Amino acid sequence: KQEVTQIPAALSVPEGENLVLNCSFTDSAIYNLQWFRQDPGKGLTSLLLIQSSQREQTSGRLNASLDKSSGRSTLYIAASQPGDSATYLCAVSGGATNKLIFGTGTLLAVQP
Amino acid sequence: AAGVIQSPRHLIKEKRETATLKCYPIPRHDTVYWYQQGPGQDPQFLISFYEKMQSDKGSIPDRFSAQQFSDYHSELNMSSLELGDSALYFCASSLGALVTEAFFGQGTRLTVV
Repeated sequence: KQEVTQIPAALSVPEGENLVLNCSFTDSAIYNLQWFRQDPGKGLTSLLLIQSSQREQTSGRLNASLDKSSGRSTLYIAASQPGDSATYLCAVSGGATNKLIFGTGTLLAVQP
Repeated sequence: AAGVIQSPRHLIKEKRETATLKCYPIPRHDTVYWYQQGPGQDPQFLISFYEKMQSDKGSIPDRFSAQQFSDYHSELNMSSLELGDSALYFCASSLGALVTEAFFGQGTRLTVV
């Protein structure tokens, strides 16, 4: 059974700092991995999708990497801003259907 | 670009009542997924449909049922509501059932009182 874990559970950094969020999964047979952002009580905003054949994806200040063989992904956020404060979720899809298995999330607070 | 539309956005029901949540996928998307996110929890997969047939089933209570209609919209029916059913319910859609990106709606917040 696929299990997805995110470390750390919470992170507080000063504005302008670069940071890394970690995601690990137990079954390397995935189709893709997605990183989401969720503001309190709000919906899921997709940030980056990495297909299983890819090693990384970049969007603006965000860079996500995938090491499928070791079951790890990282989300790198450059020059963090207070507006980046949110919960970040990673999710993997695989198996017979495309359902997503979500990680436990990292609550990020960027202090002005 | 059109996104996944969920209605209603907020719903308040009493215990033992019934609720129906609706999801309108992105045009041409043939696959719909339902997820439940309890307070402080990560989203949990409930059920999915591909081409109007159930394709996968997760931790969905027997009190819940769902279907996908001929126009590809989907409805999640929840009966005998319990306090523990209070959660955010997300719908996502994709084109094809495998190896494709799923796009999420804004969710329906269900509160059972």
